[in-house]
Amino acid sequence: AQSVAQPEDQVNVAEGNPLTVKCTYSVSGNPYLFWYVQYPNRGLQFLLKYITGDNLVKGSYGFEAEFNKSQTSFHLKKPSALVSDSALYFCAVRASTRSGGYNKLIFGAGTRLAVHP
Amino acid sequence: DSGVTQTPKHLITATGQRVTLRCSPRSGDLSVYWYQQSLDQGLQFLIQYYNGEERAKGNILERFSAQQFPDLHSELNLSSLELGDSALYFCASSMGTGTTPGNEQFFGPGTRLTVL
Repeated sequence: AQSVAQPEDQVNVAEGNPLTVKCTYSVSGNPYLFWYVQYPNRGLQFLLKYITGDNLVKGSYGFEAEFNKSQTSFHLKKPSALVSDSALYFCAVRASTRSGGYNKLIFGAGTRLAVHP
Repeated sequence: DSGVTQTPKHLITATGQRVTLRCSPRSGDLSVYWYQQSLDQGLQFLIQYYNGEERAKGNILERFSAQQFPDLHSELNLSSLELGDSALYFCASSMGTGTTPGNEQFFGPGTRLTVL
């Protein structure tokens, strides 16, 4: 079965420090991986995706993610955290369904990032 | 702003009632997806429509149904509501039919349903 795990419920980091939000996945076949961010009372915003190619993917707002096939991980990173980065972050994998295709996203449980001044 | 709109933002109703949630996809997107976000289940895929036709089903209860209209907006109908149906319901849209795994989905702001 295809799944995503985000092992940390919350990550705390000081403003200006680098941040990492962890994600591991389990898929049959090629992984198609996504990161989304959810601010309070808002929908999910797409940050970045890995489909193929370079293992380091750059996305919105200075975020990047590193794909590691051997460790089945797709960790989200940012070199210097901002207080405004505080939000709920979701890792997701595009999964196939019985009807064929890649119709749904399977989400991790989410990691709350708290950036302190 | 993702370009996906959802109405209403909030909905409060009683057990046993029926409600309809509405979603308009981004301009040009033919696929609409519905997700439920709850504290105990997290974010779960419910159903997908493409150009008016159902394409995929996830963990959608029989009491729930959806449709996509010719103008591509979609409605999610929830009936015989139970307390456990209280959740945030998201609509998302994307290009294509769902057979291209690289197409990201763009999410609306959600409808918060409270069943009392």
